[in-house]
Amino acid sequence: GAVVSQHPSWVICKSGTSVKIECRSLDFQATTMFWYRQFPKQSLMLMATSNEGSKATYEQGVEKDKFLINHASLTLSTLTVTSAHPEDSSFYICSAPLGGFNEKLFFGSGTQLSVL
Amino acid sequence: AQSVSQHNHHVILSEAASLELGCNYSYGGTVNLFWYVQYPGQHLQLLLKYFSGDPLVKGIKGFEAEFIKSKFSFNLRKPSVQWSDTAEYFCAVNGDSWGKFQFGAGTQVVVTP
Repeated sequence: GAVVSQHPSWVICKSGTSVKIECRSLDFQATTMFWYRQFPKQSLMLMATSNEGSKATYEQGVEKDKFLINHASLTLSTLTVTSAHPEDSSFYICSAPLGGFNEKLFFGSGTQLSVL
Repeated sequence: AQSVSQHNHHVILSEAASLELGCNYSYGGTVNLFWYVQYPGQHLQLLLKYFSGDPLVKGIKGFEAEFIKSKFSFNLRKPSVQWSDTAEYFCAVNGDSWGKFQFGAGTQVVVTP
């Protein structure tokens, strides 16, 4: 079946540094990918929609300058957390849809970010 | 804006017991409804979905869910759970636009032998 690979699965960084998270669709093309954030015992919160070849669409309240998204190819989207702070520590998950309208989402394994 | 509420954060039950996980959503328009499952150490994966038609939908591994429009509910059920059903279960709704899934907080289910 379809697979979405997310890397790294776990990262620790110092406050003020930037961290890049990659999301790849391994055996299918994804013109759109979605980035979610999850706090402990809370819902997955949609942060942004990544669009291949165009600008990402951010959800209300998500800082586009802090969470840079690049979707350079049909199989790769990246999320860069810039100038990370401890409050950015969270679990980030990417997903890619496959099939027709609203058919199915395939999820990456997630990235646990800890900012010291 | 739509929202999704899952009634239980944590459920513990014995093998062969019946399972029902509640999910309610708030959205006035047409919705598509999903249950996703995350087994320990694995990715989130689709368990079942409802788009239209028969409100009782069957999913993988013996799970089913019933859409009750009047109650804005989409509860997940399994008549007899197994130890391998230990996982976290997420209810999700999509009603605004393609791909913008709204997830519930998740229910951690632990099945004891």
